[in-house]
Amino acid sequence: KAGVTQTPRYLIKTRGQQVTLSCSPISGHRSVSWYQQTPGQGLQFLFEYFSETQRNKGNFPGRFSGRQFSNSRSEMNVSTLELGDSALYLCASSLQPGTPYTEQYFGPGTRLTVT
Amino acid sequence: GESVGLHLPTLSVQEGDNSIINCAYSNSASDYFIWYKQESGKGPQFIIDIRSNMDKRQGQRVTVLLNKTVKHLSLQIAATQPGDSAVYFCAENKGSSGSARQLTFGSGTQLTVLP
Repeated sequence: KAGVTQTPRYLIKTRGQQVTLSCSPISGHRSVSWYQQTPGQGLQFLFEYFSETQRNKGNFPGRFSGRQFSNSRSEMNVSTLELGDSALYLCASSLQPGTPYTEQYFGPGTRLTVT
Repeated sequence: GESVGLHLPTLSVQEGDNSIINCAYSNSASDYFIWYKQESGKGPQFIIDIRSNMDKRQGQRVTVLLNKTVKHLSLQIAATQPGDSAVYFCAENKGSSGSARQLTFGSGTQLTVLP
């Protein structure tokens, strides 16, 4: 069974631009979560989707948004990019709806660099 | 503020020795804890989890210990191998049972296995 896939793997953008990252969960998984990983802040939760609905949201500004499609694939968007948005963005999928006790499987991440 | 923290940022052990990675948490309401392993260029990989109603849980070569009295979590790796070299994160879930996932991650410990 294929794992979580994220595209693109690497991305370079300029301040002020916007970016869209894509995540395809493991087949059959319906819950998708997004995380930001930086050297300074570590891994931080962005949001979680299930059945095309955002179930939970972390403490990030409104420039960060996401959505989930009927096939469980998810996208996240960052508008008006800032230098501090440079990070590894990780997507994780799980089989069950977003309860705490279900194992999440992480993708390899998208490395975003903002210049 | 509340956070999950690690006692040491780096840990070096000899191949074959046992490793112990520590984690402190501050939220007594956290009910679920997870250890992840992240190798370079990859997303975090689930190692083992433990719920707050347990003190110890064992997996293959790994054991997690939870001391709720002092809010301390540890990961023990037996007979450490070169493939165990990675960054290890602990994560706590602050949500109540049955609620959506609200994971907070520690900053990570870099484990290096020496030949």
